[in-house]
Amino acid sequence: QSVLTQPPSASGTPGQWLYISCSGGASNIGTNYVYWYQHLPGAAPKLLIFKNDQRPPGVPDRFSGFKSGTSASLNIGGLRSEDEADYYCASWDGRLSAVVFGGGTKVAV
Amino acid sequence: QVYLVESGGGVVQPGGSLRLTCVASGFSFSDSGIHWVRQAPGRGLEWVSFIRFDGNKKYYGDSVKGRFTISRDNSKNTVFLQMNTLKSADAGVYFCAKDPGGTNPPESWGRGTLVAVSS
Repeated sequence: QSVLTQPPSASGTPGQWLYISCSGGASNIGTNYVYWYQHLPGAAPKLLIFKNDQRPPGVPDRFSGFKSGTSASLNIGGLRSEDEADYYCASWDGRLSAVVFGGGTKVAV
Repeated sequence: QVYLVESGGGVVQPGGSLRLTCVASGFSFSDSGIHWVRQAPGRGLEWVSFIRFDGNKKYYGDSVKGRFTISRDNSKNTVFLQMNTLKSADAGVYFCAKDPGGTNPPESWGRGTLVAVSS
């Protein structure tokens, strides 16, 4: 059971928008930043969003992050076949003194 | 370019020990915290441990507290994860990852090293 809650799967057709939710609590998302990762099998996880809504260099602006209260979301616009991957949200939890992850969302295009 | 390379994985019997190594380059290692994160087969990412840049602050996930020890050697740009009393639930790919600063999830990741626990 993950501390952060994500839907296990999501799907869309090419060109569509996709929205992945991440729900937490006061001790994690409510008071700390949210990070999002894309993970392909056999590869290193890739940082997509840091500090709730910031994109690292090289990440397309099709990917955007949003946080409100104790929830966050990753939005993928103009869905492409190469976006098929697992997506994870993460945050620091001040009560646990630990990084907590969502269970991951498998995206199918 | 940030590089993190993990090694030391392998097959170990239940109750056994293993030491993982993470060698870093491409950034100021002695100013950076390092995380270990793992992924069991068919499961999601699970945070394991964190060590502060100077080695004076360490955090552990509940599932490994008392069994795993994180340490670092800044003269060699290396972080270690000593894993004792290994269980089948500890099997998976172990990633080391660079901390972005502050108490935050990691930013750059290595490709991982595989740990199998089997008799």
